[in-house]
Amino acid sequence: QSVLTQPPSASGTPGQRVTISCSGSNSNIGSNTVSWYQQVPGTAPKLLMYSNSQRPSGVPDRFSGSKSGTSASLAISGLQSKDEADYYCATWDDSLNGLVFGGGTKLTVL
Amino acid sequence: QVQLQESGPGLVKPSQTLSLTCTASGGSISSVDHYCTWIRQPAGKGLEWIGRIYFSGRTNYNPSLRGRVTISVDTSKNQLSLRLNSVTAADTAVYYCARGSTVYGVETSDWFDPWGQGTLVTVSS
Repeated sequence: QSVLTQPPSASGTPGQRVTISCSGSNSNIGSNTVSWYQQVPGTAPKLLMYSNSQRPSGVPDRFSGSKSGTSASLAISGLQSKDEADYYCATWDDSLNGLVFGGGTKLTVL
Repeated sequence: QVQLQESGPGLVKPSQTLSLTCTASGGSISSVDHYCTWIRQPAGKGLEWIGRIYFSGRTNYNPSLRGRVTISVDTSKNQLSLRLNSVTAADTAVYYCARGSTVYGVETSDWFDPWGQGTLVTVSS
């Protein structure tokens, strides 16, 4: 049972826009920023977004992030087959005094 | 560009101690601007944060693992270490090291980049 809640799966067709949600509480998302990671099966996770909406160098602007209250979202526009991966949100939890991850969302490109 | 590589035994017996090393190349594993962290992932499951160590030596550990885990860094060797004692089958996972960044403000920002490729540790007799 993860502290941050993500839908287990999401899907879309090429070119579509999909959104992945991450729900938390006042002690985590409500108090700190969210980062997002993309994990292609069999590989290590890769930083996709930090400080809610900042893209690291090299991440296409098709990826965007936002946060409102105790929830955050990752949006992917112009969906491509190479976007098929697992996506994880993460943030610091002030009550647990630790870093927490969401359970992950498996994105399928139909 | 810092690159990280985990290494260590792939098989550990129950009740024994799991010991892993993460070696950095292309840059310092730890600095005043970054910390080092360990994260693990059981097969087919999600990511679990294990803990972190700052340049100052200050550590934070996952409360669920506190008492069993020790993270240390050897700056002279540019290496990060993980020790997890009294392991059980539940500790079987791919273990990743990563470099962390924190920005303090109204809200604290934490993120991990880069990550090592990960190393599989199986706990079995």
